[in-house]
Amino acid sequence: NAGVTQTPKFRILKIGQSMTLQCTQDMNHNYMYWYRQDPGMGLKLIYYSVGAGITDKGEVPNGYNVSRSTTEDFPLRLELAAPSQTSVYFCASSYTDPGQIKNIQYFGAGTRLSVL
Amino acid sequence: AQKVTQAQTEISVVEKEDVTLDCVYETRDTTYYLFWYKQPPSGELVFLIRRNSFDEQNEISGRYSWNFQKSTSSFNFTITASQVVDSAVYFCALILGGSYIPTFGRGTSLIVHP
Repeated sequence: NAGVTQTPKFRILKIGQSMTLQCTQDMNHNYMYWYRQDPGMGLKLIYYSVGAGITDKGEVPNGYNVSRSTTEDFPLRLELAAPSQTSVYFCASSYTDPGQIKNIQYFGAGTRLSVL
Repeated sequence: AQKVTQAQTEISVVEKEDVTLDCVYETRDTTYYLFWYKQPPSGELVFLIRRNSFDEQNEISGRYSWNFQKSTSSFNFTITASQVVDSAVYFCALILGGSYIPTFGRGTSLIVHP
């Protein structure tokens, strides 16, 4: 059971370059999330999705884009990378049962991104 | 708006000491869910516990225990007889009953020295 898989684990970008951070989950979870973690700042939500074809902005969406064409995949796109996007990125998924009891978030191992 | 405060940025203890990590939350909702996650040096966040607002019963799991008090809006986490493997960043989180977006605290870094 792989859970949430993120690739790549590390990446160095030059200013202005673009890249896609991949995220796949095999738990058939309907909710997926992208966070960034900066030192001492906790987790900030970038984008989230409540199901295939539905995405919405979180707290810090500027400079990022997402898509959710399938239940399993939720890639995060960085366009025109900037030094401010240097961070650790985490993808997570969760399942909310029909009774709307909020379930656990399962996290990927993270992608450490440096923009130089 | 809801808020989660983890006032302790970093805690340093010696192995076998007991340690309590504080979590204070703010919300006007009556239905909500509280969580603790552990982030070891490897980086991946791991779920520890979930508690809903209607269940104030404290919980113990091995060396871990959680004290949920609605009167003080706190959900504190105690590690008894700490071990080096407990060294990690611990996050407290809140999800409101009508939402699916968690609010995380900034985390508490626990360092357990041998």
